[in-house]
Amino acid sequence: DIQMTQSPSSLSASVGDRVTVTCRASLSISNYLNWYQQKPGRAPKLLIYSASNLQSGVPSRFSGSGSGTHFTLTISGLQPEDFATYYCQQSYKTLGLTFGGGTKVEIK
Amino acid sequence: EVQLVQSGPEVKKPGESLKISCKGSGYNFTSDWIGWVRQVPGKGLEWMGIIYPGDSNTRYSPSFQGQVTISADKSFNTAYVQWGSLKASDTAIYYCTRTVATTFYYYMDVWGTGTTVTVSS
Repeated sequence: DIQMTQSPSSLSASVGDRVTVTCRASLSISNYLNWYQQKPGRAPKLLIYSASNLQSGVPSRFSGSGSGTHFTLTISGLQPEDFATYYCQQSYKTLGLTFGGGTKVEIK
Repeated sequence: EVQLVQSGPEVKKPGESLKISCKGSGYNFTSDWIGWVRQVPGKGLEWMGIIYPGDSNTRYSPSFQGQVTISADKSFNTAYVQWGSLKASDTAIYYCTRTVATTFYYYMDVWGTGTTVTVSS
């Protein structure tokens, strides 16, 4: 399996902050990397697909970048509704899609 | 509106069987893959497998192969996951997802509300 490692596992930030979450793959996955947001008690929601494509309806303060083994999710100007857990997911190996361990973004 | 509506919570005993469902609406159910994802309480997400309702082509994560059976009935726009003999470690929330799978993209763009399965003696 391709291992996906997210960092940090949690972070505290204030409204208006710029937040960056990192995801590293154990081998090159080109740009087959998606980002999801999950709020407590809710299903995950797709934010970014193929590393940098913003899903329809997702605010433009969310952006993704990277290729190969190193990827980032950036939130430019954190909003109250952005406090959640974020997961990366590789889709390079389609018989073994794997998720990162998650990054919990909390209020400072 | 595209929706995936899942069946309600289940409480079962170890060794019992179970089949949960996911009904799609608002799109052509037979033209997109449906995937299943497990989330153990307080833990992360695990991809279980995927099915193409149009022809029932099914693929499993190696971790779930032989542990569950994924199926679909296109006449009812519904996908299923079933267990023949539940274990306590199957306690989790199970999500179905519409999965977009092309040469260049592969992502889960619509998620069901989740079905909570509790296995306890």
